[in-house]
Parts: sequence; structure tokens; C-alpha cells
Amino acid sequence: RKEVEQDPGPFNVPEGATVAFNCTYSNSASQSFFWYRQDCRKEPKLLMSVYSSGNEDGRFTAQLNRASQYISLLIRDSKLSDSATYLCVGRRDSSYKLIFGSGTRLLVRP
Amino acid sequence: DAGVTQSPTHLIKTRGQQVTLRCSPKSGHDTVSWYQQALGQGPQFIFQYYEEEERQRGNFPDRFSGHQFPNYSSELNVNALLLGDSALYLCASSLITGLAGVLDEQFFGPGTRLTVL
Repeated sequence: RKEVEQDPGPFNVPEGATVAFNCTYSNSASQSFFWYRQDCRKEPKLLMSVYSSGNEDGRFTAQLNRASQYISLLIRDSKLSDSATYLCVGRRDSSYKLIFGSGTRLLVRP
Repeated sequence: DAGVTQSPTHLIKTRGQQVTLRCSPKSGHDTVSWYQQALGQGPQFIFQYYEEEERQRGNFPDRFSGHQFPNYSSELNVNALLLGDSALYLCASSLITGLAGVLDEQFFGPGTRLTVL
């Protein structure tokens, strides 16, 4: 079983829609979590960190549930420019390596 | 302020050959990590270099080796290439700060796309 698992999608939504991605992790040693965005044939870029209290950055809201080992990303009012692959990422405090999920692909249509 | 740079951008090799990929970290960063991203997968950690030493290693064979230079730039070497080594190789740089060695955000370079025929 992979340490970080995501639904690969694709999620195909109209502009203005709200879409949610889920991610589960299997190793409770993972302490820090992030969402990265990766455009086609480009490098991953940090979208936001994920905190247990939940955090919001504009149209994006991330949530971490340690009891269920579950991470979520909510995108409101989707834009065409949101089309990308969203990578769920974990990291243990004792480690420097990032553990990536396989990514969830989002397509926002006009 | 230049970000992370990698060279070459694309590379085609044949099975059994050796390849060297290069990375220059973001200005002010002292740590370089290498990742392999196969098509349709997330990046997989290969190893990380700090103070010219391999600090941590992922589940990759000894055919994968690296080096960090005094100017913090780094090389990834892969020997005896296999078809399965075809992937996007990403370099990420960061800064380790404080006595606890906390790792700041990792910034990724554009990657080197390696094709093994």
C-alpha cells in the first residue's frame, strides 16, 4: 500500500464549480502535509501547507484529520487556470524527504 | 533572483549507458534533493545532499549516485541505464535553518526529461 494515496481523477468540472480532493496517508509518522500543484510537463509548486485547524488561502481550503489520517483540498469558484494535477504530500519531522501521492488531475471547462 | 536550474532539459540515452544530470539551487539555499517522476506518478525521493554529503536516501539502487559541490550545486549520476529509468528527474533546493535543522520549503527546478531507448 502506498504511503500517500489519492484518487487520480480526472475531475472534470465547469467554471465556477466547487471541487474537493481527498487524500489518505498510511504512516502516522507523517507529521507535515502539503498540497502541491503541477501543470502539464512542469515542476511541482507548493500550493499550501495543511494544518489540523484547517487553513484557507483565497479560494483554496485545506484540512487535516489526523484521527482518520485524511487530508482534503477544497477549491471554490473554479477557474480555467486551476486545471492542473494536485499532489498530496507528506513529510515526517525526522525526515527531509517529501512523500508524494500520485496526484489528482483537475480539468476546468468553460 | 534565479530559481532552481537544471541541465540538460532533455536527454536520450540507450540501455547500459551512464548519465549525469546537473542542478543549481536557488540563491541562498544549501540543500539539494533529487526526485524521479515516472509518467502518471508523483515524484519519488532519490536522495538529499547537505554540506557535500548524502544526508538521506530513498529506495533506489546504488546505480544512482550523487555529489554536491562547495557552491551547493549538485549532480545526479545514473549508471547502467535501464528502460525503467525513463522519467522526469527533478531537483529541489531548500535551506536548513536553526539548531534543530528544520527544513524550509523545497523549491523544484523544471526537471530533466530522460528517455532510455
